[in-house]
Amino acid sequence: EVQLVESGGGLVQPGRSLRLSCAASGFTFDDYAMHWVRQAPGKGLEWVSGISWNSGSIGYADSVKGRFTISRDNAKNSLYLQMNSLRAEDTALYYCAKDSFSIAVAQFDPWGQGTLVTVSS
Amino acid sequence: EIVLTQSPGTLSLSPGERATLSCRASQSVSSSYLAWYQQKPGQAPRLLIYGASSRATGIPDRFSGSGSGTDFTLTISRLEPEDFAVYYCQQYGSSPPWSFGQGTKVEIK
Repeated sequence: EVQLVESGGGLVQPGRSLRLSCAASGFTFDDYAMHWVRQAPGKGLEWVSGISWNSGSIGYADSVKGRFTISRDNAKNSLYLQMNSLRAEDTALYYCAKDSFSIAVAQFDPWGQGTLVTVSS
Repeated sequence: EIVLTQSPGTLSLSPGERATLSCRASQSVSSSYLAWYQQKPGQAPRLLIYGASSRATGIPDRFSGSGSGTDFTLTISRLEPEDFAVYYCQQYGSSPPWSFGQGTKVEIK
């Protein structure tokens, strides 16, 4: 069974940093692209960032470009999101999602349960 | 960036009724790279439909997707109690950014 378990969320002040992790199991991690998708409280879904199987292709939403960095460690079956210069509008539940392909095409299946990031002073 | 507009915002129906959800794109979605997701309260989204009309693994056949170009539809033929949820359409493909519609809530009438 595919499992994605996010961690690293919490309460952080504006301007500070946070690093999210996603531990993957139940599939061959380095065969698939991976993504982060977020959902602000009571709102819809927003793709944040994606990374291909070998980290050769990386993309970001304009809203986080220059502040967030996605990475992966295939040896540890793990996905990361380094979030710097956090803003109140980054407050959201952050989901890790597996792509259906090795290159990032953003067909998300499945999703983790999410980790909550709250940016507030 | 492709903007997806879903309608209606809320659909109030009874169990056993047919639900028809619409998703319209601001420009043509290449190769019908259009997916639908279901999200229940407190849960992560779940992939229902990909490629506009292909059901994901384990999805009941009462769910069907159709459409091409800029107009897509998700149909639930007979609503079961567990189908009351929020549904999102999403365009995907080779180039980011990838976008979601704002969602349609299917609620019990």
